[in-house]
Amino acid sequence: VLTQSPGTLSLSPGERATLSCRASQNVGSSYLAWYQQIPGQAPRLLIFDTSTRATGIPDRFSGSGSGTGFTLTINSLEPEDFAVYYCLQYGNSPWAFGQGTKVEIK
Amino acid sequence: EVQLVESGGGLVKPGGSLRLSCAASGFQFNTYTLNWVRQAPGKGLQWVSSITSSSSYTYYADSVKGRFIISRDNAKKSLFLQMNNLRAEDTAVYYCVGPVVVAGSGTWGQGTLVTVSS
Repeated sequence: VLTQSPGTLSLSPGERATLSCRASQNVGSSYLAWYQQIPGQAPRLLIFDTSTRATGIPDRFSGSGSGTGFTLTINSLEPEDFAVYYCLQYGNSPWAFGQGTKVEIK
Repeated sequence: EVQLVESGGGLVKPGGSLRLSCAASGFQFNTYTLNWVRQAPGKGLQWVSSITSSSSYTYYADSVKGRFIISRDNAKKSLFLQMNNLRAEDTAVYYCVGPVVVAGSGTWGQGTLVTVSS
């Protein structure tokens, strides 16, 4: 089970967002990913293997963590970053998603 | 470029059946485990089912076990989800998902909407 916190983050453009994802058991080989989802669209891969940015993802997005605790940091929020973010563990079978964190404009 | 294109969604009555298909291109289809993930209206992402590269193993979420069947055709680069005895709570957008990452990019289809309602 993956638990994301907070459920909602209210921030202003230019601020830093820190999103947490906690696993109930160790995530094998740091197989933890982060996705961004804008309403009406499929999720977009941001980070895989805990800290590797996907192709085309700006460097204001960064991932860190290990074991059972993981963090997605978004430095200096841009207007297009206000969305819902999900973590996914794919190191243990079956896959498990967190419940999501909504980053909204304050 | 990786592409996954789902089809087969639609409106079905409770207790009915539907078969989803997913056509893949742009990656070595026959070497990867493939997945179905769904998202109910206004809700989060839920893993539904996975199938290994040679179809040796299949996995299901408890909520669909015994009702859904995942399969694949490696020659046609296609993934399927046979959904039987559908319930209102199965209403969701169903996404075909490949490996988490291929050549640095994610592998999700655009989704197909399944609505279970009388």
